[in-house]
Amino acid sequence: RKEVEQDPGPFNVPEGATVAFNCTYSNSASQSFFWYRQDCRKEPKLLMSVYSSGNEDGRFTAQLNRASQYISLLIRDSKLSDSATYLCVVNTGRRALTFGSGTRLQVQP
Amino acid sequence: EPEVTQTPSHQVTQMGQEVILRCVPISNHLYFYWYRQILGQKVEFLVSFYNNEISEKSEIFDDQFSVERPDGSNFTLKIRSTKLEDSAMYFCASSLSTGYNEKLFFGSGTQLSVL
Repeated sequence: RKEVEQDPGPFNVPEGATVAFNCTYSNSASQSFFWYRQDCRKEPKLLMSVYSSGNEDGRFTAQLNRASQYISLLIRDSKLSDSATYLCVVNTGRRALTFGSGTRLQVQP
Repeated sequence: EPEVTQTPSHQVTQMGQEVILRCVPISNHLYFYWYRQILGQKVEFLVSFYNNEISEKSEIFDDQFSVERPDGSNFTLKIRSTKLEDSAMYFCASSLSTGYNEKLFFGSGTQLSVL
């Protein structure tokens, strides 16, 4: 089983749509969780950390379910500029980040 | 916002040649990392570095790879004898500490092409 697993997509959605991405991780000892965004051929950029209580940053909401080892990201009111690959990232306690392969989002006008 | 700087942005080399990828981490950061991303694949951890020594490395980071902090500002990744499969984007990152929620700052990467 992959350490961090994501649906590769692509998710093609119209502007203004709500879209959700999911991610599962295999190591139950994982300590911290993140969503990163990566534009084509660019570096990953931190979008938000994910906490057990769930957290929101503007149009973005992240949830963590430790029992199911499942992380989600919800994007409301999608913008063209949200088009990117969204990377689920887990700190497994080895102090190195483990990246998922990413979910590609294409927001269309 | 402070930046991690990487040079060169593109490096083309012949198989078997040595390459050195350079990074200038954020000035007050203490922890440094190299990651790589083969085209179409996920970002993979290579090595972390603290206090002038390797703190952790992955199975990818074999004897062909080495890292160095030659002065107070640069952090380098050397590949001794490049192979075709070393072709990838190499990202340097730095952080202030290694708390579990510590933010890593990534550089814009060096695209290495081995011919």
